[in-house]
Amino acid sequence: EAGVTQFPSHSVIEKGQTVTLRCDPISGHDNLYWYRRVMGKEIKFLLHFVKESKQDESGMPNNRFLAERTGGTYSTLKVQPAELEDSGVYFCASSQVGLFRPTYGYTFGSGTRLTVV
Amino acid sequence: QQQVKQSPQSLIVQKGGISIINCAYENTAFDYFPWYQQFPGKGPALLIAIRPDVSEKKEGRFTISFNKSAKQFSLHIMDSQPGDSATYFCAASIGGKLIFGQGTELSVKP
Repeated sequence: EAGVTQFPSHSVIEKGQTVTLRCDPISGHDNLYWYRRVMGKEIKFLLHFVKESKQDESGMPNNRFLAERTGGTYSTLKVQPAELEDSGVYFCASSQVGLFRPTYGYTFGSGTRLTVV
Repeated sequence: QQQVKQSPQSLIVQKGGISIINCAYENTAFDYFPWYQQFPGKGPALLIAIRPDVSEKKEGRFTISFNKSAKQFSLHIMDSQPGDSATYFCAASIGGKLIFGQGTELSVKP
């Protein structure tokens, strides 16, 4: 079974530019999550999709961040315009629909390291 | 109230020793407490998890101890090995959303 795939693995952009991160969840996983880790701090929840619907976007920092999941498959996270404080590692995770259980395979991707200079 | 506090920030243990990482939480609505292991360049991977109605769970060399009244839980790694060197995160779940601790960088010296 293929895991959660994220790309790019690294991105360096200038302040003010736009960056789009992509996440391909495990096939059949309707739950898709975005998280972010700013250097040295905890991994923080950004938002949760169930299929193509946003279930919880309480962690999105501001309106410069836009997440989409068209067709309930892959998801994109766009940052526009990027600021220095957006630097960090962005993780995507997916799990099966239903009550949250460890056996349902809440699986993380390897992340995208975003550096804004 | 949504925070999970993790300590220590870093830990150095000799091979064969016991590694202990502690976490504390406030929100009694958390319903699941996983530990994740992360190697450089990889995403967090589920290591072991416990539900709040269980006081201890053991899987191989890894044990979670859970104290519901104190709102604390800890990870014990017995017979620590150099291959266990990684960053460890405790977490707590609410509605499928994970609230993570700050992470502990574990280094096991040969």
